[in-house]
Amino acid sequence: DIQMTQSPSTLSASVGDRVTMTCRATQSVDTWLAWYQQKPGKAPKLLIYKASTSGSGVPSRFSGSGSGTEFTLTISSLQPDDFGTYYCQQYSSYRTFGQGTKVEIK
Amino acid sequence: QVTLRESGPALVKPTQTLTLTCTFSGFSLTTGEMCVSWIRQSPGKALEWLARIDWDGDKYFSPSLRTRLSISKDTSENQVVLTMTNVEPVDTATYYCARLFTRVGVEDYWGQGTLVTVSS
Repeated sequence: DIQMTQSPSTLSASVGDRVTMTCRATQSVDTWLAWYQQKPGKAPKLLIYKASTSGSGVPSRFSGSGSGTEFTLTISSLQPDDFGTYYCQQYSSYRTFGQGTKVEIK
Repeated sequence: QVTLRESGPALVKPTQTLTLTCTFSGFSLTTGEMCVSWIRQSPGKALEWLARIDWDGDKYFSPSLRTRLSISKDTSENQVVLTMTNVEPVDTATYYCARLFTRVGVEDYWGQGTLVTVSS
């Protein structure tokens, strides 16, 4: 099984900050990596797929990078609506999700 | 407009079989490259992918749950059914169905989820 580890587990930042979070895989997933945003009580929303391709309607402040075993999601200028938990998902072999990074607005 | 909605029992007893239905609109499982996945999320925990069925009938299952899961589709009703046998309290979770368009490769539209509690 490919395991995914996200860091940090919690992130607190101010509106306008540049925010970065990391996802690491236990073996290479090439660029078969997606990022989702989930708000409390809601279903996840697709942000990024193929490591760096934006999902439909996703604001340009969200960007993804990386390949192999290390990936990054960046929010260039944090907005109040960006609170929630962010999950990475590998789809190189079946699918596994990371444990999430919770983003709090200061 | 793509929408998905999960339905099923809110409470199931241990050892029973859980049957969940995903009813969708805005796409068809008779169209090439369309698939439906099931994912669950235990309270306060991360997401766990369970199973997927493709437009051509191919099926995929989580290796850890393969022996307990089955998945089927009814294209005339635009529904996908997931069955999980011999449920336990650890199967308590919100169960989501989601569309997968293979050109994207990941689940791009999700239902709102349905909470299933396993308890005697």
